[in-house]
Amino acid sequence: AQSVSQHNHHVILSEAASLELGCNYSYGGTVNLFWYVQYPGQHLQLLLKYFSGDPLVKGIKGFEAEFIKSKFSFNLRKPSVQWSDTAEYFCAVNSGTYKYIFGTGTRLKVLA
Amino acid sequence: EAGVAQSPRYKIIEKRQSVAFWCNPISGHATLYWYQQILGQGPKLLIQFQNNGVVDDSQLPKDRFSAERLKGVDSTLKIQPAKLEDSAVYLCASSPSGQLDEKLFFGSGTQLSVL
Repeated sequence: AQSVSQHNHHVILSEAASLELGCNYSYGGTVNLFWYVQYPGQHLQLLLKYFSGDPLVKGIKGFEAEFIKSKFSFNLRKPSVQWSDTAEYFCAVNSGTYKYIFGTGTRLKVLA
Repeated sequence: EAGVAQSPRYKIIEKRQSVAFWCNPISGHATLYWYQQILGQGPKLLIQFQNNGVVDDSQLPKDRFSAERLKGVDSTLKIQPAKLEDSAVYLCASSPSGQLDEKLFFGSGTQLSVL
């Protein structure tokens, strides 16, 4: 069965530090990849997505992610985090065969 | 535009009782999803509707969970009888047509505590 792994469950960074959150999936076919974010007290919302073309995808608020097919990875990055980036981040994969599978999430805390 | 509406926001029940959650998706969205999110885990898909038909309910515990989407708009998810392990946030999401590259629009969820 398809699965999505997020290895970092809790991350604490100071403002201006760089961020990289890992995401690996297990499905070998064509996939659509997503990063969702949940800010405190808010609902889940899309940060960015990849479905074809340039493997480096840019999203809202300065986030980007790189799809590396050979590594089954879709890591999320941001060069310089802000206090307002404190949130929980979820990687998700939609292959059609296995509908929209989410990872376990990474809680990011940014210290001011 | 109005987002995905869910109610109630919180629910506390005792085990073996029944409970129902309601979802109103974004107007015009054909696809509706119910997810269960247990504390410390990611959302787990329970059921996906396309209009008023079920696309996928492979992970729905059908002995106790049921869901319907009458007229292809609102949806209700019911648990009867509830167990302690059903304590979770139940999320409703919708998307315009269910295409694989579409993003999901989520509601705020219903937090269920089973005592």
